[in-house]
Amino acid sequence: RKEVEQDPGPFNVPEGATVAFNCTYSNSASQSFFWYRQDCRKEPKLLMSVYSSGNEDGRFTAQLNRASQYISLLIRDSKLSDSATYLCVVNTGFRAGGFKTIFGAGTRLFVKA
Amino acid sequence: DAGVTQSPTHLIKTRGQQVTLRCSPKSGHDTVSWYQQALGQGPQFIFQYYEEEERQRGNFPDRFSGHQFPNYSSELNVNALLLGDSALYLCASSLRNLGEKLFFGSGTQLSVL
Repeated sequence: RKEVEQDPGPFNVPEGATVAFNCTYSNSASQSFFWYRQDCRKEPKLLMSVYSSGNEDGRFTAQLNRASQYISLLIRDSKLSDSATYLCVVNTGFRAGGFKTIFGAGTRLFVKA
Repeated sequence: DAGVTQSPTHLIKTRGQQVTLRCSPKSGHDTVSWYQQALGQGPQFIFQYYEEEERQRGNFPDRFSGHQFPNYSSELNVNALLLGDSALYLCASSLRNLGEKLFFGSGTQLSVL
C-alpha cells in the first residue's frame, strides 16, 4: 500500500463546476498536511495547509479527518486557470530531528470552457 | 528575495557515469530536501539535510548521496547512473522552526542514455 493515495485522474470539468479531490494516508503518526499544485513542467507550489477544523481560501476548501486518515480538497466555481495537477502531501516528524514529506501521485484536473 | 535555485536545468549522461546537482535554498531557509519525480508521478523523497547532516532518508540506494554546506546550499550526487535514474530532480527548502512548508526550485531534468 502506498503511504499517500489519491483519486485517479484525470478530472475533466466545465468552467464553473465544483470538483472534489480525495486523499488517504497510511501513517497515523503523520503530523501536518498540505495540498500542492503543479503545473505542467513546473515545480510544485504550496496551495494550502490542511487542518482538522477545515480551512478555506477563496474558492478552495481543505479538510482533514484524522480518524479516517483522509484529506480532501474542494474547488468551487472552477476556472480555466485551475487546470493543473493537485498533489496531496503528508509530513511526519521525527524525534531525532527532521521530517519526511510524502507526496501522492497527484490528480490531474482539466477545466474546459 | 531570491527563491530556490538549482543548477544545471538540464543534463544528459550515459549509464555508469556520475552526476552532481546543486541547490541554493531560499534566503533565510536552513533545511534542504531532495526529490525525484518521474514522468506522471508525484515527487519521491530522497533525503533531507539540516545543519550539514543528513536527517532523514527515503527509499533510495546508497548510489544517491548528498551534502550540505555551511551556507545551507546542497549537492545531490548520483553514482553509477542507471536508465531508471532519468527524472526531474527537485530541491526544496524550508525553515526548520516554522514548520514544513516547502519551497521548490524549478528542478534539474536528468536524462540517462
